[in-house]
Amino acid sequence: GDSVTQMEGPVTLSEEAFLTINCTYTATGYPSLFWYVQYPGEGLQLLLKATKADDKGSNKGFEATYRKETTSFHLEKGSVQVSDSAVYFCALSPSGGYQKVTFGTGTKLQVIP
Amino acid sequence: KAGVTQTPRYLIKTRGQQVTLSCSPISGHRSVSWYQQTPGQGLQFLFEYFSETQRNKGNFPGRFSGRQFSNSRSEMNVSTLELGDSALYLCASSSDSRASNTIYFGEGSWLTVV
Repeated sequence: GDSVTQMEGPVTLSEEAFLTINCTYTATGYPSLFWYVQYPGEGLQLLLKATKADDKGSNKGFEATYRKETTSFHLEKGSVQVSDSAVYFCALSPSGGYQKVTFGTGTKLQVIP
Repeated sequence: KAGVTQTPRYLIKTRGQQVTLSCSPISGHRSVSWYQQTPGQGLQFLFEYFSETQRNKGNFPGRFSGRQFSNSRSEMNVSTLELGDSALYLCASSSDSRASNTIYFGEGSWLTVV
C-alpha cells in the first residue's frame, strides 16, 4: 500500500538556519504530495502541495519539489524563524480514486533564538 | 469564509460508553473525511464521505462509524469506547473527492477515555 517516510525528529535549529526535512513516498502512479504543519493544540494547516512530477510547491518561504525519479518531496526553507516551530507532516493522496490521504509520522521542528 | 468546525473540542468519556463527534465543512465543500491522531500511530484515515455516500474506509473496527447529511455536515460515532480510542479526531473537507484537491482540517476533537 501507499506509505510516506519522513525523517525522525525533533530537529533543533538556530534562527536563520537552513532547514531540510526529508520525505520519501511509496505509491503507484502519480500521487499528489502535500506538506502540512501543525502548531501546538491546533489542527493541520496546508503548507504547500504539488500534483505532478517536477512541480514545485511554495509558501511562506518553504519549498518542496516533486521528484518522481527519487520518489521524494523534501521540504526546505532558507532561513527559519522561531515562529516556524511546529510539527511538519508529509502526505500523499493517491492518483485516481477518492480522498484518502496517507501521512508520514511528522517531524517536530524547534527553532531557538 | 468560515473554516471547518468541529464540536465538541474536548470531551471525556468512560470505557464502554459511546461518543458522537460533529463536523461542519467549509461552505460549498461536499467531501468530508475523518482522521484519528495518536502519539503512537500518528495520523490514520478513518473514512471519507461525499454527497452522503461513504467512498473510502480505513482499517478501523466496526465500532467506528460515520454519516453525512444532505447539507454536507458529518458525524462520526464510536461505540463501546476503549482506552486506546483516546485521540485527537480531525475532520477535513474538500470541494470534491479528487485526490489532487486540498483538504482543509478543523481544529479537532480531543477525546479522552478513562
